[in-house]
Amino acid sequence: DIQMTQSPSSLSASVGDRVTITCQASQDISNYLNWYQQKPGKAPKLLIYDASNLETGVPSRFSGSGSGTDFTFTISSLQPEDIATYYCQQYDNLPKTFGPGTKVDIK
Amino acid sequence: QVQLQESGPGLVKPSQTLSLTCTVSGGSISSGGYYWSWIRQHPGKGLEWIGYIYYSGSTYYNPSLKSRVTISVDTSKNQFSLKLSSVTAADTAVYYCARETPLNSRFDYWGQGTLVTVSS
Repeated sequence: DIQMTQSPSSLSASVGDRVTITCQASQDISNYLNWYQQKPGKAPKLLIYDASNLETGVPSRFSGSGSGTDFTFTISSLQPEDIATYYCQQYDNLPKTFGPGTKVDIK
Repeated sequence: QVQLQESGPGLVKPSQTLSLTCTVSGGSISSGGYYWSWIRQHPGKGLEWIGYIYYSGSTYYNPSLKSRVTISVDTSKNQFSLKLSSVTAADTAVYYCARETPLNSRFDYWGQGTLVTVSS
């Protein structure tokens, strides 16, 4: 299985801050990576697909980049409603696997 | 708007079989074009993909669970189901059903999730 790691595991930032999360795959996955947001008690929500494409309806303050083994997810200006856990997910190989998540909260 | 809803027992005894159903509305499973997946999340933990089924009945299961998992589809009811046999406490989790686009594995619609506890 392809192992996904994320850093940091949690972070605190102020409203308006730029937030960056990294995701690393255990092998080259090209751009076969998606990002999800999960709020407490809710199902995950797709934000970014194919590493850098914004899902329809998702605010433009969210973005993604990277290819190969190293990927970045960015919130350009953190908003109170962005408090959540963020997961990366690879689909280069079966089984599809998720990163352990990064919990984002407000400082 | 596609909606998915999980249903099934919230409590299962050890060694028994966990059975869940996902009812899809706002879209037809039999129209094809999507995989229908099960994903679980252990309490306070990350996400684990269990497997998927296509409307034709073809399936793929996570090898870590393959020996215990069966996913089936009932297109007449627009439902798909999960059975997980020989459960232990380690199978206690929130179980989600989700629609997946085959091209780029986007899980774009999810059910709300259902907590299944394995306990005697």
